[in-house]
Amino acid sequence: AQTVTQSQPEMSVQEAETVTLSCTYDTSESNYYLFWYKQPPSRQMILVIRQEAYKQQNATENRFSVNFQKAAKSFSLKISDSQLGDTAMYFCALTINNNDMRFGAGTRLTVKP
Amino acid sequence: SQTIHQWPATLVQPVGSPLSLECTVEGTSNPNLYWYRQAAGRGLQLLFYSVGIGQISSEVPQNLSASRPQDRQFILSSKKLLLSDSGFYLCAWSSPLPEAFFGQGTRLTVV
Repeated sequence: AQTVTQSQPEMSVQEAETVTLSCTYDTSESNYYLFWYKQPPSRQMILVIRQEAYKQQNATENRFSVNFQKAAKSFSLKISDSQLGDTAMYFCALTINNNDMRFGAGTRLTVKP
Repeated sequence: SQTIHQWPATLVQPVGSPLSLECTVEGTSNPNLYWYRQAAGRGLQLLFYSVGIGQISSEVPQNLSASRPQDRQFILSSKKLLLSDSGFYLCAWSSPLPEAFFGQGTRLTVV
């Protein structure tokens, strides 16, 4: 069975600075997908970024980028130029064969003005 | 475009009462469907997922059950609610892309 671990329950960052959220996972499969989701106070889950395991290139979406280390089973999210609207819970997730999706416990990020 | 509807948004139920939460998806066919529960300030626990009509996989043995009577309808049920069933329930779908898209969620309080 696959597992996802987020070891940082809470983090904070000053507005306009950069922050990195950590995620490690475990699976015996070689093909899978990794995601970061954002859950603002509204509790709506929003997809931030996706990474295919077979791609060596790290995914980027505007201010969001990942550092995918397949051998180490690590998948961190970097948020550049942090904005107040980035304040949210961030969840790392893993899916294999598109049949189920496992989430980490989440990291609560606070962006301070 | 695809949309997902989940209702109700908020529910307060007494202990021992039944539960039915409904989720429907529009704009896609044969989606994978999921029910998650999120305890306060915590991560998402996968409860059930379905890859087709009548096909339900249960991840956690508990007081809840799920059914998929139609291709794009997913129902979460309980015959008798427990206090420990309180939480935030999220329905999600995926297909053909692997990422999941979520409904607005249902805040269930069992009193």
